[in-house]
Amino acid sequence: NAGVMQNPRHLVRRRGQEARLRCSPMKGHSHVYWYRQLPEEGLKFMVYLQKENIIDESGMPKERFSAEFPKEGPSILRIQQVVRGDSAAYFCASSLHPGQNSGNTIYFGEGSWLTVV
Amino acid sequence: DQQVKQNSPSLSVQEGRISILNCDYTNSMFDYFLWYKKYPAEGPTFLISISSIKDKNEDGRFTVFLNKSAKHLSLHIVPSQPGDSAVYFCAASAGAGGTSYGKLTFGQGTILTVHP
Repeated sequence: NAGVMQNPRHLVRRRGQEARLRCSPMKGHSHVYWYRQLPEEGLKFMVYLQKENIIDESGMPKERFSAEFPKEGPSILRIQQVVRGDSAAYFCASSLHPGQNSGNTIYFGEGSWLTVV
Repeated sequence: DQQVKQNSPSLSVQEGRISILNCDYTNSMFDYFLWYKKYPAEGPTFLISISSIKDKNEDGRFTVFLNKSAKHLSLHIVPSQPGDSAVYFCAASAGAGGTSYGKLTFGQGTILTVHP
């Protein structure tokens, strides 16, 4: 199964620690997106990356959050000095390329659940 | 500012009947719409999509209708099955073919329960 792979599935961090969430896109996909779902809410776009490039980070909090998608290896969403409000489900998605006319689809991973205690 | 709204938090339907899930949007720049199904503790699963150049798209038991003038879309599931019980999210994007495509705006979701 070459779906979008995320790890860890569950992560517990104390306030002030760092959280790193990893995402390997679907095979052949070079476009990665991160979304966050807070309790009782819908998914919210955070960032869109291609290999070695951040294309759109308009949904990322200005501080403590960063994302990368290196030439080799998975995409990483990094949250520094976590606070209780960061507790959420973080979903990674991938696609072939942005063109919707090609019948492209955005596929989501299973999610990483971050709990800050 | 909730640009995509699913005003019904939940819907209960009998097995075999039609389920109709509704979604409204406010941003006239949206030109591509998707429906996802989600189980607890899992990621969203793509169901069906529709471009703004169409008003209907069908895939098996799932049909999506788009009314651009009303800025409204709906997902019809016929016949409904107990396995369809899940949270359904409507999502929209703007900028066909452009970098905005993967930037989806989601509704809050509707919990569908199909009773045997």
